[in-house]
Amino acid sequence: DAGVTQSPTHLIKTRGQQVTLRCSPKSGHDTVSWYQQALGQGPQFIFQYYEEEERQRGNFPDRFSGHQFPNYSSELNVNALLLGDSALYLCASSLGGGQVNIQYFGAGTRLSVL
Amino acid sequence: EDQVTQSPEALRLQEGESSSLNCSYTVSGLRGLFWYRQDPGKGPEFLFTLYSAGEEKEKERLKATLTKKESFLHITAPKPEDSATYLCAVQALGSSASKIIFGSGTRLSIRP
Repeated sequence: DAGVTQSPTHLIKTRGQQVTLRCSPKSGHDTVSWYQQALGQGPQFIFQYYEEEERQRGNFPDRFSGHQFPNYSSELNVNALLLGDSALYLCASSLGGGQVNIQYFGAGTRLSVL
Repeated sequence: EDQVTQSPEALRLQEGESSSLNCSYTVSGLRGLFWYRQDPGKGPEFLFTLYSAGEEKEKERLKATLTKKESFLHITAPKPEDSATYLCAVQALGSSASKIIFGSGTRLSIRP
């Protein structure tokens, strides 16, 4: 049973560029959440997708956008990259129903902005 | 504002030396509290979910407990392979989705 998979594992970009990160959820899961984790910090919630719609969003600018496909996989897009966007980007999947949703994480994409 | 604070930031123990990690939370109402383990360069690995004050859960050398204001992760007779960052997170009542708020973690190091 494949867990959450993310690609690529590492990425180097320059300021002003755009980047797309990809995530395939754990088998049977229909909800994908994205997090940004700076070095030495806990993950910060970016947004969540369910039924191809953005269901909730954290305190991130509109430069961060996403998409969910019919097969539940998801993309995170970041435009006009800043040095401060350098971080580990984590994708987590869960089941959309129920009161408490345990989220299972992928290994992340390490983004470096130069 | 919902908030999670973990202490200490870092903890170094000798193999076999038991201790506890603390997670204090402030939420309008708690739907669930989560503990994750994160190894360097990897994503968080789910350990426990606690739902209500007084609840306890155990897994090998780890035991998580919950009160109305905080949670503890007790580690008994740790081994070097228990070295990792332990993250605490909460999901608040009223959240229309599965937004989880994380603390900054406790970096645990176990010396052989």
